[in-house]
Amino acid sequence: DIQMTQSPSSLSASVGGRLTITCRASQSISTYLNWYQQQPGRAPKLLIRAASSLQSGVPSRFSGSGSGTDFTLTISSLQPEDFATYYCQESYSSLTFGGGTKVEIK
Amino acid sequence: QVQLVQSGAEVKKPGASVKVSCKASGYSFTSYGIGWVRQAPGQGVEWMGRISTYNGYTKYAQNLQGRVTLTTDTSTSTAYMELRTLRSDDTAIYYCARVVDYDSSGYYSDHWGRGTLVTVSS
Repeated sequence: DIQMTQSPSSLSASVGGRLTITCRASQSISTYLNWYQQQPGRAPKLLIRAASSLQSGVPSRFSGSGSGTDFTLTISSLQPEDFATYYCQESYSSLTFGGGTKVEIK
Repeated sequence: QVQLVQSGAEVKKPGASVKVSCKASGYSFTSYGIGWVRQAPGQGVEWMGRISTYNGYTKYAQNLQGRVTLTTDTSTSTAYMELRTLRSDDTAIYYCARVVDYDSSGYYSDHWGRGTLVTVSS
């Protein structure tokens, strides 16, 4: 199975700040990579599909990039509602999720 | 609008089985797959498997192979997840999600149920 490793596992950031989360696959997955956001007590929400395609209705401050084994999710200007946990997911093989990155308010 | 409505919370004893349902509405059921994801308390999300609502094809996570079965009833637009031989570490929220496939390896989940809490305790 493909392993997905996210870093960092947690971080603190300020409202208005910019942050980047990375996700590394144990083998090449082309651009078969999705990003989800999960608020406490809620189901995950799709943000980015196919590495860089913004899901309908998701604010443009979210962006994704990468291909092969290395991917990033960037939030350009953090808003209060963005403090959540973020997961990457590969869809090349078994739809494995990364371990998550918890974003907290500094 | 697309909705996935899951069955209610369950409490089961170790060794028992549980079957969670997920009723879809607001779209053509057989045009999209259904995936299942679980989340243990305080932990990350774990992909369990997916089913094609068109032809019944299933693909399961390796660590659950043999204990989980996904099925659908297209007459009622309902998907089911059955997990057998329950253990305490199966205690989790179980989510169903609509799966969109855009090519042979491209999948994503764009709509999710609210989750079903399954508690395994003696």
